[in-house]
Amino acid sequence: DSGVTQTPKHLITATGQRVTLRCSPRSGDLSVYWYQQSLDQGLQFLIQYYNGEERAKGNILERFSAQQFPDLHSELNLSSLELGDSALYFCASSVGGGGAVEQFFGPGTRLTVL
Amino acid sequence: GNSVTQMEGPVTLSEEAFLTINCTYTATGYPSLFWYVQYPGEGLQLLLKATKADDKGSNKGFEATYRKETTSFHLEKGSVQVSDSAVYFCALNIVGGATNKLIFGTGTLLAVQP
Repeated sequence: DSGVTQTPKHLITATGQRVTLRCSPRSGDLSVYWYQQSLDQGLQFLIQYYNGEERAKGNILERFSAQQFPDLHSELNLSSLELGDSALYFCASSVGGGGAVEQFFGPGTRLTVL
Repeated sequence: GNSVTQMEGPVTLSEEAFLTINCTYTATGYPSLFWYVQYPGEGLQLLLKATKADDKGSNKGFEATYRKETTSFHLEKGSVQVSDSAVYFCALNIVGGATNKLIFGTGTLLAVQP
């Protein structure tokens, strides 16, 4: 158990819908990262927050957004869903926002868009 | 840009065989290098890391040496077990930047047969 929790574990929805994925980082970790794992794109970095502020953006679509709240949990919002958004979404956390600090991964949320 | 290239899988070995999974990288800055492992149905776990040239990371019998001259970080284990069956990801981040987002290779599936 990494100490990072993600809910829900599975999500099945239809095209055009909007969903919210939630992540609680390890106690004491200030940085949260979101990654997408799909068969065709592999594991890709989406976005990073550090202590409530956006730190870095990767290959995140405009239909996707995220935020980190004062209690440090984070939410990833996916809207106007398409079939190609079906993937495993991982959240990770770390103490700091830079350097070679270890990132601890949650178990992931599997999103299926029908 | 920054990227990681891993050998294609799956790699199928018999128990107690020697394992090598090749990983090479391209980096514009000075990277730290990581191997993560993903067991079936779970999130990623850090297996080992190396932060500078000639460093050797090791854990659970696995080893990898940071080779700057060949831009490589190959994963090795002298004697694999069935419990090592998993997907292995090579990754890097760039030290000194504002973010330590991870850039992953495509992953290599290892299947160890008894």
